[in-house]
Amino acid sequence: LAKTTQPISMDSYEGQEVNITCSHNNIATNDYITWYQQFPSQGPRFIIQGYKTKVTNEVASLFIPADRKSSTLSLPRVSLSDTAVYYCLAMPSGYSTLTFGKGTMLLVSP
Amino acid sequence: DTAVSQTPKYLVTQMGNDKSIKCEQNLGHDTMYWYKQDSKKFLKIMFSYNNKELIINETVPNRFSPKSPDKAHLNLHINSLELGDSAVYFCASSPRQSSYNSPLHFGNGTRLTVT
Repeated sequence: LAKTTQPISMDSYEGQEVNITCSHNNIATNDYITWYQQFPSQGPRFIIQGYKTKVTNEVASLFIPADRKSSTLSLPRVSLSDTAVYYCLAMPSGYSTLTFGKGTMLLVSP
Repeated sequence: DTAVSQTPKYLVTQMGNDKSIKCEQNLGHDTMYWYKQDSKKFLKIMFSYNNKELIINETVPNRFSPKSPDKAHLNLHINSLELGDSAVYFCASSPRQSSYNSPLHFGNGTRLTVT
């Protein structure tokens, strides 16, 4: 399984755009880049998934360059409620059973 | 309506006791899981069931025994609890085994404290 590396923590202010980068140098051909969000005292919640180029939904955008060795989760105009841990995973298309790393703790301040 | 619900939310018990955590999903998903999140925040897969059948059993002590009476329920029974079992246990479900277009839906966790 491809290992992913992401910053341990990030700080931001309300209204700013936040970009969280994830490195996955050994990503396999059939791996999808998947991001989850976890609020305190809750289970992780699926945010977005992509294979290449750009994917956008109502929550975030995911940018994946052609070589797929990294990806960037973009959160537009964050609010205090976006304070959470964000996990990046390289998930094989065949299974959902993976270990989540430590993720990136995003702290949004007023 | 709660999609994946697990009970209890908190569980405090002594070493050597036996305890169970229950999980139910009302999403109609085929696959259910148990994850363990330790103090370092790593979230590790323990078990995975697909349509009541065990498909993934990671290196978990056999003191942990999952049971799936039907595809909407996956309970976790733990025998002879040890201090190291203290963690937050999450139940999850997904429409099917494949990760593509089949995201995990997690419950809110059960915080187990063994004293």
